[in-house]
Amino acid sequence: DAKTTQPPSMDCAEGRAANLPCNHSTISGNEYVYWYRQIHSQGPQYIIHGLKNNETNEMASLIITEDRKSSTLILPHATLRDTAVYYCIVRVGDSGGSNYKLTFGKGTLLTVNP
Amino acid sequence: NAGVMQNPRHLVRRRGQEARLRCSPMKGHSHVYWYRQLPEEGLKFMVYLQKENIIDESGMPKERFSAEFPKEGPSILRIQQVVRGDSAAYFCASSGLIDTQYFGPGTRLTVL
Repeated sequence: DAKTTQPPSMDCAEGRAANLPCNHSTISGNEYVYWYRQIHSQGPQYIIHGLKNNETNEMASLIITEDRKSSTLILPHATLRDTAVYYCIVRVGDSGGSNYKLTFGKGTLLTVNP
Repeated sequence: NAGVMQNPRHLVRRRGQEARLRCSPMKGHSHVYWYRQLPEEGLKFMVYLQKENIIDESGMPKERFSAEFPKEGPSILRIQQVVRGDSAAYFCASSGLIDTQYFGPGTRLTVL
């Protein structure tokens, strides 16, 4: 079972920042937070991941709270092409156990409106 | 840089036929994962392979499904005697050692 909780849907105006929340209150110290998105049944697209520090790349920013129990994915200037289902996934970052399995929940359907 | 490649993108089979789905990992990746997405559901892990080895097939149905990743060539997910319930999108991902998984575009299997 997915160990994350996300709102089922969100709306955002084009050009505005989209802030997608994720709760992961049972996250362990060695678990990373990963974000993927799936645009209309295409293959999931990797966005970003982090452990405890905030991260930024060309696609998005990831803000992780100090207690690591929640995080927010930020798309700074959402476009219509950002409409997708966004998945927040926690997984262990080392090579032990079965941590290679990505567990996809239902995610958040982000709709960017013109 | 070529990403993960899957073919065919769409596959139609009649009940009882065999389906073969191919996955070529990203350059430099030696770990391959297969996931299945049933209609209106999330992706579910099926199998994890390294070259010539099946590491974990705990998500594979017990019968009719098999996977391989030979020393040369793509990874193959094989479904024998397909049934309508096998209709789904099958996604392959690849990674370096316990690293970020990058997904292919998927193969959409339709069983008539």
